[in-house]
Amino acid sequence: NAGVMQNPRHLVRRRGQEARLRCSPMKGHSHVYWYRQLPEEGLKFMVYLQKENIIDESGMPKERFSAEFPKEGPSILRIQQVVRGDSAAYFCASSPGTAEDTQYFGPGTRLTVL
Amino acid sequence: EDQVTQSPEALRLQEGESSSLNCSYTVSGLRGLFWYRQDPGKGPEFLFTLYSAGEEKEKERLKATLTKKESFLHITAPKPEDSATYLCAVLLPDSWGKLQFGAGTQVVVTP
Repeated sequence: NAGVMQNPRHLVRRRGQEARLRCSPMKGHSHVYWYRQLPEEGLKFMVYLQKENIIDESGMPKERFSAEFPKEGPSILRIQQVVRGDSAAYFCASSPGTAEDTQYFGPGTRLTVL
Repeated sequence: EDQVTQSPEALRLQEGESSSLNCSYTVSGLRGLFWYRQDPGKGPEFLFTLYSAGEEKEKERLKATLTKKESFLHITAPKPEDSATYLCAVLLPDSWGKLQFGAGTQVVVTP
């Protein structure tokens, strides 16, 4: 029973490029969450999605960041025109249903911006 | 403002030396408190979920307890493989699943 899958595991981008991070939730899970962990900081909520809907994006920067969870395929976190401050570990989590359900995390994507 | 505070920041234990980690929160109307462990370079691994004061959960050498203001993670007779950062997270009220994490407690268990 595969867990949450994220790819790539490591991503290197130059300033100004775009970064696309992918997340496939656990089988049977329809809720996806993205969190960011900056160096020496704790995990911070970014966005919560269900299939084809953004439910809560209150933690996501207003500019350059977007997220989607299409009907088919993985959830995508997209960062346009990356800057050095975007360097961080980005984690995806999934849960089966209600807000009180446990969120299970993937291994993360480590983004380095040169 | 909702806050989650973990203490201590770091803990060094001898193998077999039991101890407790603390997670205090100021969230009103707790809907759920979660404990995870995180190894370097990896994602958080789920340990426990607690929903109401007085609840306790146990797994191998770990036991989590919950009161109205805080939660404790007790590590009994730890082994070196228990070395990790332990994270506490609270489900924020009026949210659709937004977790607020504490900064974590880094535990090192030496043989």
